[in-house]
Amino acid sequence: ETGVTQSPTHLIKTRGQQVTLRCSSQSGHNTVSWYQQALGQGPQFIFQYYREEENGRGNFPPRFSGLQFPNYSSELNVNALELDDSALYLCASSLDSQSTDTQYFGPGTRLTVL
Amino acid sequence: DAKTTQPTSMDCAEGRAANLPCNHSTISGNEYVYWYRQIHSQGPQYIIHGLKNNETNEMASLIITEDRKSSTLILPHATLRDTAVYYCIVRVENDYKLSFGAGTTVTVRA
Repeated sequence: ETGVTQSPTHLIKTRGQQVTLRCSSQSGHNTVSWYQQALGQGPQFIFQYYREEENGRGNFPPRFSGLQFPNYSSELNVNALELDDSALYLCASSLDSQSTDTQYFGPGTRLTVL
Repeated sequence: DAKTTQPTSMDCAEGRAANLPCNHSTISGNEYVYWYRQIHSQGPQYIIHGLKNNETNEMASLIITEDRKSSTLILPHATLRDTAVYYCIVRVENDYKLSFGAGTTVTVRA
């Protein structure tokens, strides 16, 4: 158990809709990172938040956005859903954003876009 | 980030040591080697990481060659629960992200 939780476990949406995924980090962890994992592939980095500010972003369009809250919870929002957004979405928390800070992953949210 | 190369898949026998190789020939001096594993449809699990010295914890050992161009993850006594995809990741100091490749699918057989 990593102490990182995500909700919901599974979600089904239709193309064009908006979705919010939630993550609860380990207490004391100031950094949360979000990853997208398509079927059969490794996780791909979406973005990272450190102390409620975006700290880095991968190659994802602006319709992917996030929020981090002072209570160690965070959200990933995706607007205008596309079929290719179907994936496992993972959040990972770490103490800070240094490379020596281990990222601990949650169990993920499986999003299906129809 | 330095690119890593891992075998696509490997089998090992339950109770035996599993040795998972990773090539990272372009690694720089300030890049760490991380290993994660992912059991089917779960989130990745941290295993171990190192810079240049060999490392051991309760899960595994990490052996890094002297030139740092390759490493081996050793699971000392593989069990059926070790069946998973294992990812070798090279991470630059102060880099905020993990760059996952395709990993090695390890199947432990009874």
